[in-house]
Amino acid sequence: DTGVSQNPRHKITKRGQNVTFRCDPISEHNRLYWYRQTLGQGPEFLTYFQNEAQLEKSRLLSDRFSAERPKGSFSTLEIQRTEQGDSAMYLCASTLAATDTQYFGPGTRLTVL
Amino acid sequence: GENVEQHPSTLSVQEGDSAVIKCTYSDSASNYFPWYKQELGKRPQLIIDIRSNVGEKKDQRIAVTLNKTAKHFSLHITETQPEDSAVYFCAATPGNQFYFGTGTSLTVIP
Repeated sequence: DTGVSQNPRHKITKRGQNVTFRCDPISEHNRLYWYRQTLGQGPEFLTYFQNEAQLEKSRLLSDRFSAERPKGSFSTLEIQRTEQGDSAMYLCASTLAATDTQYFGPGTRLTVL
Repeated sequence: GENVEQHPSTLSVQEGDSAVIKCTYSDSASNYFPWYKQELGKRPQLIIDIRSNVGEKKDQRIAVTLNKTAKHFSLHITETQPEDSAVYFCAATPGNQFYFGTGTSLTVIP
């Protein structure tokens, strides 16, 4: 499968725990985006990378959230001290250029108990 | 930042009829407008897109129109089929962030 992949697909955690998600973009894509989607809403932008540089973060992103893309390939999104309000689908997308087709991964569904 | 509004939130049509979903945006710098289809439990998938230098684009039963002056763009699906039932999202981008609408749940009644 040469599409965008995400792991794990589902994560259940207790409030206060840390979680980390991984995204593997399409190999030649240099832009990688993270989104959060809650039921009945469109994807909400969190952050994006061009190669290994994190170029923009949503002002809605608290300091409990951090993302990395150390070698410009896969990316990780970590949420520290999870809260129930963090429960959502976390989507990753990659693209070759700024205004080009975004290809989404299957998402990681996070449930915080 | 950009603000994208999408209407209607739900839409039911009889099989074979047309469906129209409308979006407005606020940032005149937005120059790329994709539409995504998301089936239940699946990832969003691009169905059609349009760039700001084009007023209309068509792909078989799907078309998108863009009015830059009014800052709105629309998705048109003709001869709807039950498999068109899904949630549709519009988006706009000035080049960095993608801003999504809140989605339209389309139901095609056989």
